Parts: sequence; C-alpha cells; structure tokens
Amino acid sequence: QQKVQQSPESLSVPEGGMASFNCTSSDRNFQYFWWYRQHSGEGPKALMSIFSDGDKKEGRFTAHLNKASLHVSLHIRDSQPSDSALYFCAARKTGNTRKLIFGLGTTLQVQP
Amino acid sequence: DPKIIQKPKYLVAVTGSEKILICEQYLGHNAMYWYRQSAKKPLEFMFSYSYQKLMDNQTASSRFQPQSSKKNHLDLQITALKPDDSATYFCASSHENTEVFFGKGTRLTVV
Repeated sequence: QQKVQQSPESLSVPEGGMASFNCTSSDRNFQYFWWYRQHSGEGPKALMSIFSDGDKKEGRFTAHLNKASLHVSLHIRDSQPSDSALYFCAARKTGNTRKLIFGLGTTLQVQP
Repeated sequence: DPKIIQKPKYLVAVTGSEKILICEQYLGHNAMYWYRQSAKKPLEFMFSYSYQKLMDNQTASSRFQPQSSKKNHLDLQITALKPDDSATYFCASSHENTEVFFGKGTRLTVV
C-alpha cells in the first residue's frame, strides 16, 4: 500500500480558475510535507513546504495541513497555462532521515 | 544556469552492461541524493549522502553503488543492467534537512 496517496489523478481547470490537490499519508510518523511541481522533461521543483497545522499562503499557492487526519492539500488560485504540470506531495518522517516519500502525482491541465 | 548538473541526459545501455550516471551540484549543499522515476510508480528514494557519508540506503540491490569523490559529486554506478532498470534517475541535493533541489535527470533505457 502506498504511504502517500494523492487525488485526483488528473485535473483540468480553465485559465483563471482554482486548482485543488489532495494528499493523504498512512503513517503518523510523517510530520513534514512538501508540494513539488514537475514540468515535462524537467526535475521536480519544490513549491512550498508545510510543517504545522493550518494554512500557509505563498502568492497564488495555499497549502493546508491537518495532522490529525494526515491530510495535506494545495490550492492554486488564478491558474495559468504555465501551471500545467505534474504535482507531487512529498512527506518526510521525524528523526534523522533525509528520505522523502512521494505520491504518484496529479496532472494539471490549465485550459487557455 | 543549472546548479545541479547530471550527465548524460539520455543513455541507452545493453542488458548486462555497466553504466555510471554523473552528478555535480553547485549549490554548496552538504547532502546529496539519488531518486528514480519509473512509469506508473512514485518518485522513489534510493540513497542519501551527507558530508560524503552514506545516510540512507533504500536500494535492495547491490548493483546500484553511489560514488562520492568530492563533496559536491555523487555519481551512481549501475552494474549488470536489466530492462527493469529503465527509468529516469534524478540527482538531488539539500542543505541539511531543508528543501531538496532536483537535477533534470538522466533517462536510462536498457535494451
């Protein structure tokens, strides 16, 4: 069973719309979460991190973490065609580990 | 201007052969990693190094051997290549346990 599960598998929104991504972990030891974005032919690039319960906003991006339910979400407002990419949730456990566990990703298509 | 350089970008290898994937980072980071991305699978952690010492090893097969000749280098040697090894291999780095930066990857195809 995958330890970090993402939904939906794919998403299509109109330009200017809101894109929302969900991530659930199955291990309470995961305490640190990142959202990564990967454009075709590139490596993943971190969008934002979230380590505490609640919301974190950076420009058009807002992440939300609920540790009790092991749920993380990412919302992109005013979506642009350049936001079209693969979005990953990544989690790391507490302790002296550097290992990031990634979900399978959500493909976002922003329609002009 | 890429700060994590991976070479080559594409690689085709014959089953049973050996290849080395090169990675250099110019971000001044003390930790380096290898991840693998295959179709229909999540990005998979392979190794982490900190100050040129192995920290985590999640690769069961000894056919995969990281090599760190300098603190900003972490190459990946793969021996006895199999078709299942076909994937994109990403080198990454970070300062301590902060944000992990990824290179553009080496796409390996084993025929």
